[in-house]
Amino acid sequence: GQQVMQIPQYQHVQEGEDFTTYCNSSTTLSNIQWYKQRPGGHPGFLIQLVKSGEVKKQKRLTFQFGEAKKNSSLHITATQTTDVGTYFCAGHLLPQGGSEKLVFGKGMKLTVNP
Amino acid sequence: DTGVSQDPRHKITKRGQNVTFRCDPISEHNRLYWYRQTLGQGPEFLTYFQNEAQLEKSRLLSDRFSAERPKGSFSTLEIQRTEQGDSAMYLCASSLVTPGETQYFGPGTRLLVL
Repeated sequence: GQQVMQIPQYQHVQEGEDFTTYCNSSTTLSNIQWYKQRPGGHPGFLIQLVKSGEVKKQKRLTFQFGEAKKNSSLHITATQTTDVGTYFCAGHLLPQGGSEKLVFGKGMKLTVNP
Repeated sequence: DTGVSQDPRHKITKRGQNVTFRCDPISEHNRLYWYRQTLGQGPEFLTYFQNEAQLEKSRLLSDRFSAERPKGSFSTLEIQRTEQGDSAMYLCASSLVTPGETQYFGPGTRLLVL
């Protein structure tokens, strides 16, 4: 079946460091969305990427959608303790029978050492 | 607060009992989704509605699970004859009807089956 995979599953960084996490789909996506879930919370929407090769920035977060629309990356610069949480990517598959379900990856859990 | 709301936030039940959860979407959103999230996993799609019509169901949704959205506003998810494996966070999300639209999540109902 369709799968969305995230690597790494866990990331531990020192405050102030930069890092990148990746999201790969086994099938082409119509768009990809990123969510952040704080411990004990629910997924909160961060951003949506639609176009091939699209890059969007949100303060210290940079999101990129691959040219083939099968992968995405999230780069965080100067990590802060407020960045702690689990980051999920979720893909909308190319329309197949009108499916509107989001397929989520397992998430990348970020911890930050102050 | 005009976000997605869910009730109850927590539910503890004994195996074999029936439980029902409620979701109130963002008022102008026509689409409503149910997801299930277990520890260390991303949300898994269960079903979604457009207005009162249930348009897609996952094979994860066994015959013990039923969802309704009778008036196209709030939705209920019922689990009959609960099993310990049903223990999870049940998340509701809503969106506009545009294909690929961003989904906004509620706080979830955490179910524990003893």
